[in-house]
Amino acid sequence: GAGVSQSPSNKVTEKGKDVELRCDPISGHTALYWYRQSLGQGLEFLIYFQGNSAPDKSGLPSDRFSAERTGGSVSTLTIQRTQQEDSAVYLCASTPGGANTGELFFGEGSRLTVL
Amino acid sequence: AQSVSQHNHHVILSEAASLELGCNYSYGGTVNLFWYVQYPGQHLQLLLKYFSGDPLVKGIKGFEAEFIKSKFSFNLRKPSVQWSDTAEYFCAVTRGSGNTGKLIFGQGTTLQVKP
Repeated sequence: GAGVSQSPSNKVTEKGKDVELRCDPISGHTALYWYRQSLGQGLEFLIYFQGNSAPDKSGLPSDRFSAERTGGSVSTLTIQRTQQEDSAVYLCASTPGGANTGELFFGEGSRLTVL
Repeated sequence: AQSVSQHNHHVILSEAASLELGCNYSYGGTVNLFWYVQYPGQHLQLLLKYFSGDPLVKGIKGFEAEFIKSKFSFNLRKPSVQWSDTAEYFCAVTRGSGNTGKLIFGQGTTLQVKP
C-alpha cells in the first residue's frame, strides 16, 4: 500500500504475556519512529531508526520494551511481560530521512489492551 | 531535556469563533516547529511547519502559526473555525541543527467546535 501499515490494529492480551507489534513503513523511507499515545498523555517518543545508524532508544520506558528494524524496512516493537500501564495506542511513522523535513507519515496505530 | 507544552487541554468553541492554541518549547537552540492534527478516526497529519524565514507560517485549511523566538512559542491560530475543525491538535519540535530526527510532541489539545 501507499501508506504506513501497522498490525495488528487491535491486540488484547493478559498481563505478563509478550506482544509484538509490526510496522511497514512507506517504501523508500529511511527513517522510522515508534510513539505511544495514551489518553491525556499526548504522543510519547519511544524509538527512532535512521538508515544504518544506531537507533535512538532514549524514549523506551523500560527494558521490557525493544524494537528492531530488519533490512532497513519493516520494524517490530516487542513488549515483554506486559503490564496494564502498557495499554495504549502504539503509532509508527516514517519519513524519507536525509534533510530533516520533519513531516512524519503515521500509520493507523496498534491499540494494545492489557487485562 | 527538550519538552513541549500545550496549555489548553480541551477547547470548546462555536463556529466562526477565532482560535488560538498555545505551544511553548524548552529547547534553547535552533528548532524546527510543527503542528499536527488528528481528526476523529483518522491518523495524524501535518498541518504546518516552520524551519526558517518568515516566522508567520500558513498551513492547510486556513490555519497559521507564529514563531516568537523570545517567548519560545509557536501558537496556532485560525480566524474563524468550522465544525469540521473538531480534532486533536499536537505541537511538535525537533532540533534544527543536524539531522537528529527526534520529534517531540506536546500533550495535545482537543478542539470541539459546536455547530
